[in-house]
Amino acid sequence: ETGVTQSPTHLIKTRGQQVTLRCSSQSGHNTVSWYQQALGQGPQFIFQYYREEENGRGNFPPRFSGLQFPNYSSELNVNALELDDSALYLCASSSGGGDEQFFGPGTRLTVL
Amino acid sequence: QKEVEQDPGPLSVPEGAIVSLNCTYSNSAFQYFMWYRQYSRKGPELLMYTYSSGNKEDGRFTAQVDKSSKYISLFIRDSQPSDSATYLCAMKKGTGGGNKLTFGTGTQLKVEL
Repeated sequence: ETGVTQSPTHLIKTRGQQVTLRCSSQSGHNTVSWYQQALGQGPQFIFQYYREEENGRGNFPPRFSGLQFPNYSSELNVNALELDDSALYLCASSSGGGDEQFFGPGTRLTVL
Repeated sequence: QKEVEQDPGPLSVPEGAIVSLNCTYSNSAFQYFMWYRQYSRKGPELLMYTYSSGNKEDGRFTAQVDKSSKYISLFIRDSQPSDSATYLCAMKKGTGGGNKLTFGTGTQLKVEL
């Protein structure tokens, strides 16, 4: 059984640029959630996708957007990057209606 | 006020000690409670998952939920240096809001030889 994978591992961007982060869910899982974890903080919920539809969103501006594909992999897109977007971005997968979320290793984004 | 409060530590204990980690919460709608372990620069790893009040044991780990006090705990017996990590509590409402997890800030634990 393959776990949750994310790419890239690290990324450095400059303010105003756009970024796309990718996540492959664990085998058998159809729900993907994205979280932002600032240094020294707990993860903050960005949004969730269930069967290719957005299924809940946290307190993040519209420049944070996402997609889920038919194979249940997912992308997180962030436009007009700001310095405060520097964080570890985590993807978690779960089965439909399932409560246990399993996290990937994260993508560390640095915005200069 | 944050929905979930967790002492950030750091907490330093000798090898073999019993560790107690705690979180309090304010929203009575939370029904599912989790503990994750996160090593430096890694993703969180699910340790324990409990529903509503009560205790759950898994090896050296025991999770405890007291809904009347809005208080959850994780106990680690016979702590090992490999337990050194940040421990995050997380919780979820029973219905609505999808599967959004609300996390504490995490407690940094160091188990010393």
